[in-house]
Amino acid sequence: GQNIDQPTEMTATEGAIVQINCTYQTSGFNGLFWYQQHAGEAPTFLSYNVLDGLEEKGRFSSFLSRSKGYSYLLLKELQMKDSASYLCAVRDNQAGTALIFGKGTTLSVSS
Amino acid sequence: GAVVSQHPSWVICKSGTSVKIECRSLDFQATTMFWYRQFPKQSLMLMATSNEGSKATYEQGVEKDKFLINHASLTLSTLTVTSAHPEDSSFYICSARARGGGQPQHFGDGTRLSIL
Repeated sequence: GQNIDQPTEMTATEGAIVQINCTYQTSGFNGLFWYQQHAGEAPTFLSYNVLDGLEEKGRFSSFLSRSKGYSYLLLKELQMKDSASYLCAVRDNQAGTALIFGKGTTLSVSS
Repeated sequence: GAVVSQHPSWVICKSGTSVKIECRSLDFQATTMFWYRQFPKQSLMLMATSNEGSKATYEQGVEKDKFLINHASLTLSTLTVTSAHPEDSSFYICSARARGGGQPQHFGDGTRLSIL
C-alpha cells in the first residue's frame, strides 16, 4: 500500500519563506506532485519531481529524495493569496496511474 | 494549459434521486480519467479510474453499482450517483491526464453534491 504524511497546519507571515515537508512510502514510486487547493475549489498543479533534486518555478520550488522517501515544497516571498491547502501526491506503479494524495497541509499567511 | 470542465458545480436534491456529473477534457485527449471524493477538511480519496472504451476500475470499498462510470470518448467521462442518500453528500472531483510519463493530472472544478 501507500502512506503519505505531511503536517496538518502551518502558519507564516507575508514575505517569509515556508517549507512544507512530505514523506511517503510506496511500492513502485513513479513521481511526486504538489498541488495547491483553495477552500471549496479543485486542486491546481504546482510541481512534479521524478528524479532526485530541486525543481524551481518562480516563487515555488520542490525537492525530492527518493532514497529517503522525502519531498518538500518551498514557498518564497509569501503572499496572502498563498493561504491554501497544499497537497502532496504520489504516483505508484503498483496502484495504477492515479495519484494518491496526502491529507494536505493548510497554510495560513498573515500580514 | 490543459483544461478540464466539470458540470454541474452544485447539486441539491432529494434522497433517492440519481445524479449525473460530467467531466470533459477541453483541449487534450484523456485516455484515463479519475474520480475523487473529498469530505470537508480531508484528503482527496480516489473512487475509480475510468478508461476510455472499457470498464472503470473501482477502489476498494466503492460500490460500482452505486457509482456508475461511463467513459464514452477520449474527452468525456460521466459519474452517476444512483439513488443518492445524505451520506453521499460530498465534493466530487474529476481529473484527466494526457498521454506521457510526466503528465500531471488536471482537475475539474468539482461538484458539490448535497442530498436532503
